[in-house]
Amino acid sequence: GAVVSQHPSWVICKSGTSVKIECRSLDFQATTMFWYRQFPKQSLMLMATSNEGSKATYEQGVEKDKFLINHASLTLSTLTVTSAHPEDSSFYICSAERTSGGYNEQFFGPGTRLTVL
Amino acid sequence: QKEVEQDPGPLSVPEGAIVSLNCTYSNSAFQYFMWYRQYSRKGPELLMYTYSSGNKEDGRFTAQVDKSSKYISLFIRDSQPSDSATYLCAPHTGNQFYFGTGTSLTVIP
Repeated sequence: GAVVSQHPSWVICKSGTSVKIECRSLDFQATTMFWYRQFPKQSLMLMATSNEGSKATYEQGVEKDKFLINHASLTLSTLTVTSAHPEDSSFYICSAERTSGGYNEQFFGPGTRLTVL
Repeated sequence: QKEVEQDPGPLSVPEGAIVSLNCTYSNSAFQYFMWYRQYSRKGPELLMYTYSSGNKEDGRFTAQVDKSSKYISLFIRDSQPSDSATYLCAPHTGNQFYFGTGTSLTVIP
């Protein structure tokens, strides 16, 4: 299967600081990557779709100036939470899309737990 | 109406039981139907998928799709404590995924 990694796996930061999370597809190229947010005992909430070489597409209600996404290569997308506040504390999960047999598969990273103090 | 509806549970069963997890959907354009398993504090992992209607079996897991009734099922036979996780259905059109809320399953030894 395809492997997607995320770094860091967990991070604690002070309110007002910025945090960068990396998502890498290790053994395949991903034109498209997705960023999700998950609160405890809730389902995945799609935040944005990241396309290599172009601007990310954000879901309604997600502040693009707060959650900066960069997809600089076919194997790396980054999510930067700017001026983080305690309400941004959550589990952030990325996924990378691979086209196989004419359809798209999504492979998820292990997630990054962000705690903002 | 949500694109995908899934009972969040929680569902608790004894070890060895047969588990049935279900989703309903509204979009007739869905062609592919995925099931993901998510352990606590981990990212989801693809468990299995089916294309269009029919059944697909993989070990103790069977995925079933009935497009006429827009109903998706995942059956787990001889359930094990290691199956305790949240299971998410994810139908998609080939381009866009939609995720269910997930069903939390606990298998009691």
